[in-house]
Amino acid sequence: GAGVSQTPSNKVTEKGKYVELRCDPISGHTALYWYRQSLGQGPEFLIYFQGTGAADDSGLPNDRFFAVRPEGSVSTLKIQRTERGDSAVYLCASSRDRMYNEQFFGPGTRLTVL
Amino acid sequence: AQKVTQAQTEISVVEKEDVTLDCVYETRDTTYYLFWYKQPPSGELVFLIRRNSFDEQNEISGRYSWNFQKSTSSFNFTITASQVVDSAVYFCALSEERDDKIIFGKGTRLHILP
Repeated sequence: GAGVSQTPSNKVTEKGKYVELRCDPISGHTALYWYRQSLGQGPEFLIYFQGTGAADDSGLPNDRFFAVRPEGSVSTLKIQRTERGDSAVYLCASSRDRMYNEQFFGPGTRLTVL
Repeated sequence: AQKVTQAQTEISVVEKEDVTLDCVYETRDTTYYLFWYKQPPSGELVFLIRRNSFDEQNEISGRYSWNFQKSTSSFNFTITASQVVDSAVYFCALSEERDDKIIFGKGTRLHILP
């Protein structure tokens, strides 16, 4: 069966530009998560969706970051006015329901802000 | 506050040796979940195990075993008879039931030398 997919796999952008990162969770998984992983670090929680609503967005670093999941399936992470410090691998994961259930991770999107 | 500490940043062992990866956690909750994930060079995080705070039984899965000790707030991971394919970064993680986040440690990079 299909796992979690993320597009694009790589994104290079210039400082100040807007980017969108897409995540397709495993079919039927109601919970979806975004993480950010900087070089040499563990994944850092950004936001968690249960269905269409953001159950916890406390990990979003500032108001330049926003995520949506309008139909309870695909999610888009949006970053406005990108900064060089936003460069990282953005990981998406999904699970059957709650956060503490097994999360299946996608391959990530490597974002580079020049 | 919840915190996961993996004091070993990098370990190298020769193939067939046993190796233990340490994980110490902090939480104020009585109900919580502990995880180990593997991140091979390909980058995709792979779930290995989840343990809840009420189950202190050690677990063995093939060459992998986990030792959970609440008294020392530790959840250590041992690979027996290591193989080159075990080379990866291993992350320990914690989730409190009252809070929908998974907090990851910084990871331990494991090199298995042929």
